[in-house]
Amino acid sequence: SYELTQPPSVSVSPGQTASITCSGDKLGHGFASWYQQKPGQSPILVIYQDRKRPSGIPERFSGSNSGDTATLTISGTQPLDEADYYCQAWDSSTAHYVFGAGTKVTVL
Amino acid sequence: QVQLVQSGAEVKKPGASVKVSCKPSGYTFTNYDLNWVRQAAGQGLDWMGWMNPNTGDTGYAQKFQGRLTMTRDTSISTAYLELSSLRSEDTAVYYCVRGGGIISRPQFNYFDYWGLGTLVTVSS
Repeated sequence: SYELTQPPSVSVSPGQTASITCSGDKLGHGFASWYQQKPGQSPILVIYQDRKRPSGIPERFSGSNSGDTATLTISGTQPLDEADYYCQAWDSSTAHYVFGAGTKVTVL
Repeated sequence: QVQLVQSGAEVKKPGASVKVSCKPSGYTFTNYDLNWVRQAAGQGLDWMGWMNPNTGDTGYAQKFQGRLTMTRDTSISTAYLELSSLRSEDTAVYYCVRGGGIISRPQFNYFDYWGLGTLVTVSS
């Protein structure tokens, strides 16, 4: 089955840049989305169609997709950005949505 | 504003079935796909399936085939997830999620609005 691979954890100092990767050999065939989830809360969409930000998401969140790796970048990371982040894509061969296992971002 | 209101927590015995409802508001029910995603405690997100509320067309993840049914009642703008033959591993929070983008074009879609989740506990 198709898998999206994320690092389990990323640590970043306040004000610095955090980059979270999502690897999958079919990422270039479609779009990647990213979700932020804080403890006890529902996930929220932070990036869709590789690089678009929904209304209300701060500009410090940005995304890219190079073909086999999608990246979520948080510039000027703030303590409130501490959360789990999940990437997601559509696998057309199985007609399934797939999520990465998630990356815990810690702001030290 | 868009909201997806889900039914309350359920406790079921192994082998039983559970039916969870989701009532969206703030947009036209039949204009967007609805998906179900579940999350066991301390685990990641697990996509279960999607439904076109206009046509009733569905697509289920392979791991749930035969146990999962997604339906809707357009007269009350409500979607349902029913999972049968429950086992302890099905204990999780179940989220109703709107598919933003183009209805029934999942390759272009993303999950833009999430319900608060329904905790389903399977225990003898």
